[in-house]
Amino acid sequence: SQQGEEDPQALSIQEGENATMNCSYKTSINNLQWYRQNSGRGLVHLILIRSNEREKHSGRLRVTLDTSKKSSSLLITASRAADTASYFCATVSNDYKLSFGAGTTVTVRA
Amino acid sequence: NAGVMQNPRHLVRRRGQEARLRCSPMKGHSHVYWYRQLPEEGLKFMVYLQKENIIDESGMPKERFSAEFPKEGPSILRIQQVVRGDSAAYFCASSPIRQGPRASGNTIYFGEGSWLTVV
Repeated sequence: SQQGEEDPQALSIQEGENATMNCSYKTSINNLQWYRQNSGRGLVHLILIRSNEREKHSGRLRVTLDTSKKSSSLLITASRAADTASYFCATVSNDYKLSFGAGTTVTVRA
Repeated sequence: NAGVMQNPRHLVRRRGQEARLRCSPMKGHSHVYWYRQLPEEGLKFMVYLQKENIIDESGMPKERFSAEFPKEGPSILRIQQVVRGDSAAYFCASSPIRQGPRASGNTIYFGEGSWLTVV
């Protein structure tokens, strides 16, 4: 079964606005990762946050992790048309398998 | 340093034919993982291989699917007697070390995927 579940399934925003998506998971994790996938392409790793971290930044990306609620959020600030993509969270527990959610499809309108 | 190379990028097969997908890991990477992405879904783990060894194939369907990573050459994911339900994107990833709790940072790299369509 899927470990991560993203919410919302789809998001449409205007260029320049912020986009926030959430990920919930079921079991304890060692780290949580966010990936971007453009249509018909492979996955691009965005950011990794460890279970003992609460917040991480990378450029226009901000990720938070709340292990007590088993949830994470990804914020993209000042969105651009190029941010249009699907975003997936993936968790790593005690082995090597990444468990992905079904993703959030983000559309940034010009 | 080339990334993870997958080919073919797109493959169309008729029901009952065989599909063979190839993955060349990044240079220096000896750990290969295959994931499958069904339409509108996230990726699902299929198999983890090291050179000449299948470490974990718990995500592979029991029949018709096989994977190998020979001493020389790319890793191959083979699907025999394909059915429509096999239509999906198949992603290969590689890493220089075994992924797990002690792996630090992003040490797993994904290829661009192979899109299989069964008609």
